[in-house]
Amino acid sequence: DTEVTQTPKHLVMGMTNKKSLKCEQHMGHRAMYWYKQKAKKPPELMFVYSYEKLSINESVPSRFSPECPNSSLLNLHLHALQPEDSALYLCASSQMAVGNEQFFGPGTRLTVL
Amino acid sequence: AQRVTQPEKLLSVFKGAPVELKCNYSYSGSPELFWYVQYSRQRLQLLLRHISRESIKGFTADLNKGETSFHLKKPFAQEEDSAMYYCALKRGSNYQLIWGAGTKLIIKP
Repeated sequence: DTEVTQTPKHLVMGMTNKKSLKCEQHMGHRAMYWYKQKAKKPPELMFVYSYEKLSINESVPSRFSPECPNSSLLNLHLHALQPEDSALYLCASSQMAVGNEQFFGPGTRLTVL
Repeated sequence: AQRVTQPEKLLSVFKGAPVELKCNYSYSGSPELFWYVQYSRQRLQLLLRHISRESIKGFTADLNKGETSFHLKKPFAQEEDSAMYYCALKRGSNYQLIWGAGTKLIIKP
């Protein structure tokens, strides 16, 4: 399996809802990433996990809470989001080596009402 | 400061014409550079990385340290090359990428 999968594909939520985004990879990658991408813009890094430990948090608001239950799974828990959080949320994974490429999932299109 | 600049937001060329998407970087160390491509309704995917010096889908990119550039080139554009292209710089010893703003490439028939 050489793909990163993400569920759900689309998500619509209200500002008081709690939801979770899921990401899975079975390539043995030990680095996993969450990005936020607005239309026609590059991805913005949110979080990086290395060996299932949070190594980078790019000053993301606490209404976004990442979790890495094991080496294949990455979750992003959402609570009390704002309409400006509507975006495409991308998960990626990579080997931890020089020249490693990041493999991206298809993303979850999130709309906050 | 570490930075990646893609000066063209939009580039439109005719099918069969040469294509060059510009990327300039600012980095004090030894850079690792990548080109990623995002086709319409598809996931972001790696096109090229400078250390492998490969040619993918007819595209090549050469790292020019003197000009701090990593321009993406293809001698004869095809309609299926229409996509969003991002140049990215790996930040040091961790796994972060610094992204350019992206160039939308449109190939006209």
